[in-house]
Amino acid sequence: GAGVSQSPRYKVAKRGQDVALRCDPISGHVSLFWYQQALGQGPEFLTYFQNEAQLDKSGLPSDRFFAERPEGSVSTLKIQRTQQEDSAVYLCASSLSQGPSPLHFGNGTRLTVT
Amino acid sequence: DQQVKQNSPSLSVQEGRISILNCDYTNSMFDYFLWYKKYPAEGPTFLISISSIKDKNEDGRFTVFLNKSAKHLSLHIVPSQPGDSAVYFCAVMIKAAGNKLTFGGGTRVLVKP
Repeated sequence: GAGVSQSPRYKVAKRGQDVALRCDPISGHVSLFWYQQALGQGPEFLTYFQNEAQLDKSGLPSDRFFAERPEGSVSTLKIQRTQQEDSAVYLCASSLSQGPSPLHFGNGTRLTVT
Repeated sequence: DQQVKQNSPSLSVQEGRISILNCDYTNSMFDYFLWYKKYPAEGPTFLISISSIKDKNEDGRFTVFLNKSAKHLSLHIVPSQPGDSAVYFCAVMIKAAGNKLTFGGGTRVLVKP
């Protein structure tokens, strides 16, 4: 497809389980972002890649969160030992260039930790 | 501390009338401003943007106004249509820091037919 694709759309995990969320950006997009959106709030920045380089991970809430983009295309956000406070929608976005340009968002993965 | 605030969580407007959404920010270093629209179960969709060198940008029914001295921006939608019913987020960035966006909390708009 032409847009940003995220999978799975929904994920239910028991507390303590590890999860992996996948993002396929728009082909050719250099920059890739992960955001976390809690219910009723705006998206909050987690981390940012330019090609395969992770340039900013200042938004990752703890060392249980890890993101990678090894070949500069698909990215995976991994959350280890999930906690209830990790329940949120995780949004991936990509943009064509490093300069100011709108981000194109995927539909997100809704994670529920029980 | 919230760097970007949308003080109205919701707005109801009659079809054909104007919708005005407001957004305030705290950091004068922000120099690029965007509005996104979000439908349920979908990701945010880019609407319109404005650079700090301008005070107005118009695209069809959507106009964004920027008041740098007040650190305030607004989105005007006129005329409002039922399909405009969605949650609207303002977002800000510092261009030199890449496309890292900071979002407000959103305003839910309901356009009544």
